[in-house]
Parts: sequence; C-alpha cells; structure tokens
Amino acid sequence: AQSVTQPDIHITVSEGASLELRCNYSYGATPYLFWYVQSPGQGLQLLLKYFSGDTLVQGIKGFEAEFKRSQSSFNLRKPSVHWSDAAEYFCAVGEGSGNTGKLIFGQGTTLQVKP
Amino acid sequence: EAQVTQNPRYLITVTGKKLTVTCSQNMNHEYMSWYRQDPGLGLRQIYYSMNVEVTDKGDVPEGYKVSRKEKRNFPLILESPSPNQTSLYFCASSSGQGTNTQYFGPGTRLTVL
Repeated sequence: AQSVTQPDIHITVSEGASLELRCNYSYGATPYLFWYVQSPGQGLQLLLKYFSGDTLVQGIKGFEAEFKRSQSSFNLRKPSVHWSDAAEYFCAVGEGSGNTGKLIFGQGTTLQVKP
Repeated sequence: EAQVTQNPRYLITVTGKKLTVTCSQNMNHEYMSWYRQDPGLGLRQIYYSMNVEVTDKGDVPEGYKVSRKEKRNFPLILESPSPNQTSLYFCASSSGQGTNTQYFGPGTRLTVL
C-alpha cells in the first residue's frame, strides 16, 4: 500500500539558516508528489508538486524539492529560513490513476524558527 | 477568486446531535473530498466524490455520510457524532485530472462533548 513517512516530527532552525525537511514514500508506480504548508489556524497551501520531468522542482516562497527515485525521497529545502516559515509541513503522494484524486499524507513536520 | 469554502469554521456539539458541515467550491471541479486531521496522523481521507451523484469511501468513513447533488457542493454529515470524531476537517477539490492538485478549504474544527 502507498504510504508517506516524514521522519522528523519537529524541527527547530535559526532564522537565516538552511532547511531540509525529509519525506519518504512507498508507491509502486511513478508517484505524484506534493508539499503543502499549514500555517497556524489556516488551511493547506500548496508549496510545490512533482509529476514528471526535471527532478528538482521550484515552488512558492523560495522552496524547492528534489525527487530521488533511488531513495524514494522527496525532500523539501530552503536556503534561508524566515520567521514566517514557521508552520506545519506535509508531504503527500497522489494516486497515479487520477480517478480518485486521493492524496496520502505524511504525519507532518512542525517547523519552529528561532530569532 | 477561486476558493473552497467551509461552514462552520468552529463547532462544539454534544454526542448524538446530528450535524452537517458544508463545503462549496467555485472552480467547477469534478472531484471533491473530505479529510480529517489528527495530531501525529496527518490527514486521512473520509469520503470522496468524482462527480455529481458519485461518491465513495476513503480510508476512515465510519460514522460519516456525504452527498453530491450539485457539482459545487459536498456536505459532510455526522448522523450521531461521538467524541472520537473531534478533529479538524478539511474539504478539498480538484479537476480530477491526473495531476491530482487539490485545493483545500480553511478547515472546520469540530469538538464533540
């Protein structure tokens, strides 16, 4: 069965430092991969997505992610974190058929930013 | 503005009192879905709908009902809520194409006493 694992439940980084959030997936076919961000009290906002092609994808707010098939990973990165990036981040994999549109989410990683 | 709306945003109720959470999208999307979010579990799909009058169970459908009489609306019904349904609920919609990009509503925080 498909699954998504985010190994880090909570991460704290200093403002201006680089960030990497890990995501590992289990999926038989080529996955559709997503990163969403949830700010406190808000809904989910799409940061970026990968369907095919270039394995390094750029998203909003200066985020990028790299798809590595050999490692079944889709880690999210940002070179310099801002205090406003403090939020919960979710990695998700979409069913390839597209018929159900179902997303399978990881457990989430809470990012805290120190001044 | 393209959006998914949910109402109410916050709801406190008691065990057994039927309730409905509404969801509406203005993007003419065919696919709509309900998720619940619980700490440490991420989001889990409750029900989904691929089009009008077409609905199916997700991963955690017990205790919930849905209907899809119009394309834009997809209400979530709890006939007899129980405390284990206390959660944060999200409605989502997508065009149903293979890209599966889903757009989420702002969430409904439900507390069942």
